[in-house]
Amino acid sequence: DAGVTQSPTHLIKTRGQQVTLRCSPKSGHDTVSWYQQALGQGPQFIFQYYEEEERQRGNFPDRFSGHQFPNYSSELNVNALLLGDSALYLCASSSTAETQYFGPGTRLLVL
Amino acid sequence: AQKITQTQPGMFVQEKEAVTLDCTYDTSDPSYGLFWYKQPSSGEMIFLIYQGSYDQQNATEGRYSLNFQKARKSANLVISASQLGDSAMYFCAMSRFRGTDKLIFGTGTRLQVFP
Repeated sequence: DAGVTQSPTHLIKTRGQQVTLRCSPKSGHDTVSWYQQALGQGPQFIFQYYEEEERQRGNFPDRFSGHQFPNYSSELNVNALLLGDSALYLCASSSTAETQYFGPGTRLLVL
Repeated sequence: AQKITQTQPGMFVQEKEAVTLDCTYDTSDPSYGLFWYKQPSSGEMIFLIYQGSYDQQNATEGRYSLNFQKARKSANLVISASQLGDSAMYFCAMSRFRGTDKLIFGTGTRLQVFP
């Protein structure tokens, strides 16, 4: 049974560029959440998708957007990248009354 | 608003000894869940243990147990018989609803196990 997968594992971008991160949930899970973890901090919630709609959103600007597909996989898009967007981006999948399980993360470096 | 506080930036423990990682929380919600995750240097967050606010007994999962004291709003993680592979960051987190609500994380505790 495959767990949560994320791609790519590492990414280097320059300021002002756009980036797309991808996540495939654990089998049987229909909910995908995205978190940003800056160096030395705990993860911060970005948003959560369920039934192809954004169900919850954290305190992140509109530059951060997402999408969920019919197969429950999800994308995180970040526009107009800033140096401060450099972080580990974690995807977690879950379903009702199920714990959130995380993928290995994508390390984004913005130069 | 929900808040998680982890006051121990780092902890050391000798192999085969037990260690307690502290976590206190604040919420006005009557129902909530508490979680502990382990994050090795690779970065992946590994789920360890869950405690529901209405669970009568403290949760246990193998060498992990959660010392839940509701009146004190604490949810400490106890790791028994520490192993070298337990060296990692440990995060306490909470949410209102298991699976369908955002997780609020603490700042983490770095545990180092020495021989």
